[in-house]
Amino acid sequence: GAVVSQHPSWVICKSGTSVKIECRSLDFQATTMFWYRQFPKQSLMLMATSNEGSKATYEQGVEKDKFLINHASLTLSTLTVTSAHPEDSSFYICSARGQPNTGELFFGEGSRLTVL
Amino acid sequence: GEDVEQSLFLSVREGDSSVINCTYTDSSSTYLYWYKQEPGAGLQLLTYIFSNMDMKQDQRLTVLLNKKDKHLSLRIADTQTGDSAIYFCAEIPRLGSSNTGKLIFGQGTTLQVKP
Repeated sequence: GAVVSQHPSWVICKSGTSVKIECRSLDFQATTMFWYRQFPKQSLMLMATSNEGSKATYEQGVEKDKFLINHASLTLSTLTVTSAHPEDSSFYICSARGQPNTGELFFGEGSRLTVL
Repeated sequence: GEDVEQSLFLSVREGDSSVINCTYTDSSSTYLYWYKQEPGAGLQLLTYIFSNMDMKQDQRLTVLLNKKDKHLSLRIADTQTGDSAIYFCAEIPRLGSSNTGKLIFGQGTTLQVKP
């Protein structure tokens, strides 16, 4: 099956710094990628939809200035958590939808962010 | 609105069958999914079913879809300790005539398999 890779898998940073998480589709082109956030023992919450070459669409309640998303190529989307605070600590997961749209999404391994 | 509900916990003995249930609200959903998440890991797609199907079988996995009741179930035959994980059902709701493309997840069911 198709592979989606996230990097880094785990990052610890100080409060106030910015952290960038990458999501790559390794063997297919992804016109659309999705970013989710998962709190411990909870379900995934969709944060935003990232479309190649255009601005991301954010879900209600998600701060676009806080969580910057860039989808500059068909194989890479990045999520930057700006001025991170301890409450931003979470597990961030991306998924990608390939061409043509089969309805199937492929998920990355997730990136665990810990803000001290 | 869009909502997906699951029971939170299921415990079975090794070798038994496990049945994980899910209900959803969007009757126009075209795809319904089952994902598995092991501790500290991302999501692994187990199987999915199109809304025009009633059943799909894939080795030890059987998915049943009751569109009338908006009920989806995942049956794992001969459950093994390696099946212990959190199982999420998810749907892609439609917006008008198009898929929204975003997945709506249930809360996840923790499956505990005892030896």
